[in-house]
Amino acid sequence: GQQVMQIPQYQHVQEGEDFTTYCNSSTTLSNIQWYKQRPGGHPVFLIQLVKSGEVKKQKRLTFQFGEAKKNSSLHITATQTTDVGTYFCAVNAGGTSYGKLTFGQGTILTVHP
Amino acid sequence: SAVISQKPSRDICQRGTSLTIQCQVDSQVTMMFWYRQQPGQSLTLIATANQGSEATYESGFVIDKFPISRPNLTFSTLTVSNMSPEDSSIYLCSVEDDEPEAFFGQGTRLTVV
Repeated sequence: GQQVMQIPQYQHVQEGEDFTTYCNSSTTLSNIQWYKQRPGGHPVFLIQLVKSGEVKKQKRLTFQFGEAKKNSSLHITATQTTDVGTYFCAVNAGGTSYGKLTFGQGTILTVHP
Repeated sequence: SAVISQKPSRDICQRGTSLTIQCQVDSQVTMMFWYRQQPGQSLTLIATANQGSEATYESGFVIDKFPISRPNLTFSTLTVSNMSPEDSSIYLCSVEDDEPEAFFGQGTRLTVV
């Protein structure tokens, strides 16, 4: 199955600062998903990227898929305390099932008020 | 979107015993997935549970340790057998819906003492 490396492992920011997490693969990805897990919670789907060079926005969140479909990023503008949590990228672990996933290591975001 | 009820939400178990985790979905789904999230770590896929056939296990996971049942299209169980402290983790079930995303249960936080 496909593997993906995610950096950084931790990110501490002051409220209002920006935040970015990156995922990289050595192979071309068919798609990539992003999830957020609040402390003590379960992963919640944010978005899926499929097309080369795709950019999608959700309010203060911007998701990008690289031209070669080997990397992706999640950028949060002007972080808020509600953004605290762990952000995971995830890729298909095999087959066509969207639910069978290999997760990146995750980036733990801490926002200081 | 699928709604998943997972129980128990947490348990503390003695080593050498077994725990069965239940996952109930509010709609019929073809595939259900079981993940493990060790403390401070990412999610790792344990197995895929298909109705009417044996579960498919990922590398490093075996049926004797993690037997899975899938009696119908809305329900699955995962048993953690002969537990040791190394089994202390969060166990999550997930499903895929018509949309390209995975939905997760609330998770079972297992502590083995």
